[in-house]
Amino acid sequence: SAVISQKPSRDICQRGTSLTIQCQVDSQVTMMFWYRQQPGQSLTLIATANQGSEATYESGFVIDKFPISRPNLTFSTLTVSNMSPEDSSIYLCSDRLGPYNEQFFGPGTRLTVL
Amino acid sequence: QKEVEQNSGPLSVPEGAIASLNCTYSDRGSQSFFWYRQYSGKSPELIMFIYSNGDKEDGRFTAQLNKASQYVSLLIRDSQPSDSATYLCAVNVADDYKLSFGAGTTVTVRA
Repeated sequence: SAVISQKPSRDICQRGTSLTIQCQVDSQVTMMFWYRQQPGQSLTLIATANQGSEATYESGFVIDKFPISRPNLTFSTLTVSNMSPEDSSIYLCSDRLGPYNEQFFGPGTRLTVL
Repeated sequence: QKEVEQNSGPLSVPEGAIASLNCTYSDRGSQSFFWYRQYSGKSPELIMFIYSNGDKEDGRFTAQLNKASQYVSLLIRDSQPSDSATYLCAVNVADDYKLSFGAGTTVTVRA
């Protein structure tokens, strides 16, 4: 599998501010995804990051709150905008490899909003 | 109705025993099935995937799939304390690249 890195690994932010999370893959991948994992919960897909076009958002997630960029096949960013304490979560990026849609995850970004 | 359901935990097993994890899914068009292991404070790690009915073995792990019953399971043989983690079942729906995740089952292996 490709090696995925994320920055920052964790952050503590004030409400009303924004944080941009970076995801870097060490090889070109066609599909990248962003997930949220709230405390004690499973993974919820936020959006699919599409190279060269707008991200595809899941129900309940909007571009104004979670703008995503995908400038090339190895990099993507997720911004959490106008944060509130409810945004405190782990944010994970993943890539899709293989013919059976296997996904591999980065180490995650642990976000705490005060 | 949730798309992917896992047996509620936590599941506690003695060291050396078999841990059995179950997962059911609602979409009959599902084609690929995945088991992820997530240690506390870490990201999910893919440990098994299966797409054909029957059993698939990898070391101490066996995945079992029964599409007619819409059921997939994971057996961990000779459980070790290092197997203590949350196990997430994920399902890929046909003609879609996305995964749907279950809520996870937390396994504790008692030494």
